Amino acid sequence: AQKVTQAQTEISVVEKEDVTLDCVYETRDTTYYLFWYKQPPSGELVFLIRRNSFDEQNEISGRYSWNFQKSTSSFNFTITASQVVDSAVYFCAVPPWMDSSYKLIFGSGTRLLVRP
Amino acid sequence: DTGVSQDPRHKITKRGQNVTFRCDPISEHNRLYWYRQTLGQGPEFLTYFQNEAQLEKSRLLSDRFSAERPKGSFSTLEIQRTEQGDSAMYLCASSLDGGASYNEQFFGPGTRLTVL
Repeated sequence: AQKVTQAQTEISVVEKEDVTLDCVYETRDTTYYLFWYKQPPSGELVFLIRRNSFDEQNEISGRYSWNFQKSTSSFNFTITASQVVDSAVYFCAVPPWMDSSYKLIFGSGTRLLVRP
Repeated sequence: DTGVSQDPRHKITKRGQNVTFRCDPISEHNRLYWYRQTLGQGPEFLTYFQNEAQLEKSRLLSDRFSAERPKGSFSTLEIQRTEQGDSAMYLCASSLDGGASYNEQFFGPGTRLTVL
């Protein structure tokens, strides 16, 4: 089965540290989308970013940045100067290859704990 | 503007009982998804609606599960003869039809089901 691998189960950092969450995905499609979601303790998944595989430029949004490398099938997420409010589980997701339902396959998530 | 809503937020039931969950998507979204999330895992796709048509069902969706989306608005997910293995968070998501594009999915707060 197609996989999205988030090898880091849990990461703990001290506030203001930078942290990178890894995501490695499988796909046979030549063009595809990639997503990151955040799931805070309240439980609701919050959309963070959607990237098209055509665009390999890194993206920055405030303290968040994403590094997409098609050659290694990785889509890593960095939080700069982490804050306690960043504590959550973060999921990387991709659509299944040759899919027509627009569903997503999620990784198992990385739990980030930011300590004061 | 309201997001995706789900009702109830929590449901405790005894094995063998039937349960029904409701999802109200974002009003202009014509794609609707159900996912299931168990502890420590990412969401897993269950089923997908495009307007009122149920276009795909996962193998995870046994014949005890049924979903509807009458009139292409809200959706219901029913589980008959619940089993303890059905205990999970049931998530609903909706997205705008982007043609062949993957628009981001917006998730509701989920319904946590506990089967005793």
